[in-house]
Amino acid sequence: AQTVTQSQPEMSVQEAETVTLSCTYDTSESDYYLFWYKQPPSRQMILVIRQEAYKQQNATENRFSVNFQKAAKSFSLKISDSQLGDAAMYFCAYRAYSGGGADGLTFGKGTHLIIQP
Amino acid sequence: NAGVTQTPKFQVLKTGQSMTLQCAQDMNHNSMYWYRQDPGMGLRLIYYSASEGTTDKGEVPNGYNVSRLNKREFSLRLESAAPSQTSVYFCASRPNREGSAFFGQGTRLTVV
Repeated sequence: AQTVTQSQPEMSVQEAETVTLSCTYDTSESDYYLFWYKQPPSRQMILVIRQEAYKQQNATENRFSVNFQKAAKSFSLKISDSQLGDAAMYFCAYRAYSGGGADGLTFGKGTHLIIQP
Repeated sequence: NAGVTQTPKFQVLKTGQSMTLQCAQDMNHNSMYWYRQDPGMGLRLIYYSASEGTTDKGEVPNGYNVSRLNKREFSLRLESAAPSQTSVYFCASRPNREGSAFFGQGTRLTVV
């Protein structure tokens, strides 16, 4: 079974600074997807960024970027120029690209990100 | 655009009562999912449906049943609620094999 580990229960960063959230995963699959989801106090799950394992180039979405290290099974999220609205729980998630194609996501336990004004 | 809509948003049940959580998506997605989120945990998959008429167990299916009524709707039923089923429940849908999942706003369920 796949597992996703987020080793930082909580992180704090000053507004406008950069922060990196860590994620490692374990899988025997060669093709898969990795995701970062944001969950603000509203409880809504919001997709931040996704990475296809077959792509060597790291995904970026505006101030959000990832460092994908396939051999090390590591998938970290970097948030640049942190803003107060970035405060939330962040979940790393994995999905295999196999089987019937309807596999669900496997989530880490989350990192609580605090933004200090 | 409504996206994925869950009803109700909040519910309190007594132990042994039954209820159905409703989920509907208007994005014409093929796959739908039910997850639960407990404090200090990420989301865990309860059941999923690859397409209309099919359902499969996820990681934590015990105590739940599901119905994929049509392409739009995927319901989750608790036949005899237990305090261990106190959780936040999320429904999600995904268009195809390559697509990303979209989530509903969640249902906070308390079983007393």
